[in-house]
Amino acid sequence: GAVVSQHPSRVICKSGTSVKIECRSLDFQATTMFWYRQFPKQSLMLMATSNEGSKATYEQGVEKDKFLINHASLTLSTLTVTSAHPEDSSFYICSARRTTYQETQYFGPGTRLLVL
Amino acid sequence: AQTVTQSQPEMSVQEAETVTLSCTYDTSESDYYLFWYKQPPSRQMILVIRQEAYKQQNATENRFSVNFQKAAKSFSLKISDSQLGDAAMYFCAIGGSNYKLTFGKGTLLTVNP
Repeated sequence: GAVVSQHPSRVICKSGTSVKIECRSLDFQATTMFWYRQFPKQSLMLMATSNEGSKATYEQGVEKDKFLINHASLTLSTLTVTSAHPEDSSFYICSARRTTYQETQYFGPGTRLLVL
Repeated sequence: AQTVTQSQPEMSVQEAETVTLSCTYDTSESDYYLFWYKQPPSRQMILVIRQEAYKQQNATENRFSVNFQKAAKSFSLKISDSQLGDAAMYFCAIGGSNYKLTFGKGTLLTVNP
């Protein structure tokens, strides 16, 4: 195993609202989880690194107040897009790193966010 | 900083034939890992194969194998006996001591019946 789930798979929201995306490692404990953003026909862009019990580390150019990350347990990390705007519409993917084979990341199925 | 270059935006192969996807990278770290991930139309990222840089032996996983040339900083993926289900976007990635992954721009593989 090494299964990672994401919920919801797809969400549509109105501009100005907040949206929470959950990322769960189902059959292993994840020391670290990562959040990526992917635009159509482009590669994955790392947004932030989430470590259980500590503050997330954001990549340069990513607004930490816009994208709130919480990693409350070894199996769950959440990404909240606050006051969403149409430009936040994208495909968001999480990944998790297990304690064995630490260098390998296992990815969730992604969440498609559309902000109207 | 780490960089990954995939010079082939698109590739095509006939079913049952062999195809090689290219990847070059650059890193200042001495200890790193290389990966090939597959992203089919469902957009689920699937690990295809991984290679530890300290290992000279090329990794293999069934029909998938790599040609790792450390001095040349090259990490190509060979898919043998291509199947229709192999059609996907393939991303080459490198990971270092901070476990972050840097991805290439991807190669879209089409498999023709």
